[in-house]
Order: sequence, then C-alpha cells, then structure tokens
Amino acid sequence: DAGVIQSPRHEVTEMGQEVTLRCKPISGHNSLFWYRQTMMRGLELLIYFNNNVPIDDSGMPEDRFSAKMPNASFSTLKIQPSEPRDSAVYFCASTKQGGVAGELFFGEGSRLTVL
Amino acid sequence: AQSVAQPEDQVNVAEGNPLTVKCTYSVSGNPYLFWYVQYPNRGLQFLLKYITGDNLVKGSYGFEAEFNKSQTSFHLKKPSALVSDSALYFCAVRGAGAGSYQLTFGKGTKLSVIP
Repeated sequence: DAGVIQSPRHEVTEMGQEVTLRCKPISGHNSLFWYRQTMMRGLELLIYFNNNVPIDDSGMPEDRFSAKMPNASFSTLKIQPSEPRDSAVYFCASTKQGGVAGELFFGEGSRLTVL
Repeated sequence: AQSVAQPEDQVNVAEGNPLTVKCTYSVSGNPYLFWYVQYPNRGLQFLLKYITGDNLVKGSYGFEAEFNKSQTSFHLKKPSALVSDSALYFCAVRGAGAGSYQLTFGKGTKLSVIP
C-alpha cells in the first residue's frame, strides 16, 4: 500500500510568494495532521483534521497559514505571504482514529526554503 | 498539558554494545507512548508503542522499550547496536482518554553508532 504522499519534496521561494504544500493520506485513515519541524523548535503540530473537519488549528502560527481538507484523500497547507522564518520541513501524517491508539504514519516531508 | 523530555541531545555507542535512549513523560491519566525513528531527509517511522499490558514492548529492528509508571519513563533499548541504527529518535506521548488525539513529541535524540 502507498504511504502518505507529500508534494513537493523541496520548495525554494522568495519572501512574499504563496506556497502550497499537498498531502494525500493513507486510504481509510480518517485523521490527518500537519507538523512543522525545525532545529530550534523540534516537531510542532500545526493543525489536526478528523473526518475532513479541522478540529484543532491552535498550532497554526498566524493568519498567513491556512489548511484545507476538501475530501478524505487530499489536504493542502498554504502560506501566503511566505517569510524566511517559515523555512522548515513540513510533515503530513495520518491515522485511523477511533480504535485502540494507532500510530501516526508520516509522509517524507516538504522542505521549504524561503529566501 | 502533556510533555516529553529526552534529556540527551546525542548518544554515542560502539557497534555491538547495548544502547539506551532515555525518555520521560508527563500526561494526565494513563499514557499511550510511542517511539519513532527519523533517517536523514526522511519522514518519521514508527518503531513501537505502549498501550497497556506488559511493560516491556518489542518493536521493529530489534528495538524494545520499557514502560515504568512510577518513574514516568519509557526508555528505548537495543541489546546490540548496529551502525545502521544511527538516526534521530523521537519519543511521543498521548493521553489515553476518549477524544485525546494530540501526540506530543520530544526534541529528539541523535544516536550515533560507531564502527
């Protein structure tokens, strides 16, 4: 089975540009998470969706960040406008919520560099 | 609030020697505990988890972890380290309560296995 698929793997952009990161969760998983990883702050949860509905977006840094999940097989994380401090690796993870605690399955990440 | 502490930023061990990567946690109620491994430029991969039952949990690649409720610890261990075990290791905790979804990660411990 395919794992969590993220695109692009690498993105280099200039400050002020819009960035869109994409994620396809594992089929059958009903929960999706976006994380950001930096050396300074480690792994931070940005937003959590359950059954396509955003449940907790308290980790989204500011209004420049937005996330959507229009259906069970696709999610986007958008940064507009981007800033150099947004440079990080962004991970998408999915799991099947509701049963005994299941582990998260992570994508390979999208490495964002904002110049 | 739940939290995870990994007191060592880096652990060095000689190939063939036993290894331990330490983790302590704080959470309300019973914990669900996880270990993940991250290789360079890759996503996090699930190693093992403790949900309930036997305090010694066995996972992938010969790793195991021991849950100690009184010490609120969940140390990762392996009897004989391999060079290929060199990676970044993350401990994570989640509350066992209904509706609990947030997985909180430690800062990570870089394991270097020296040939």
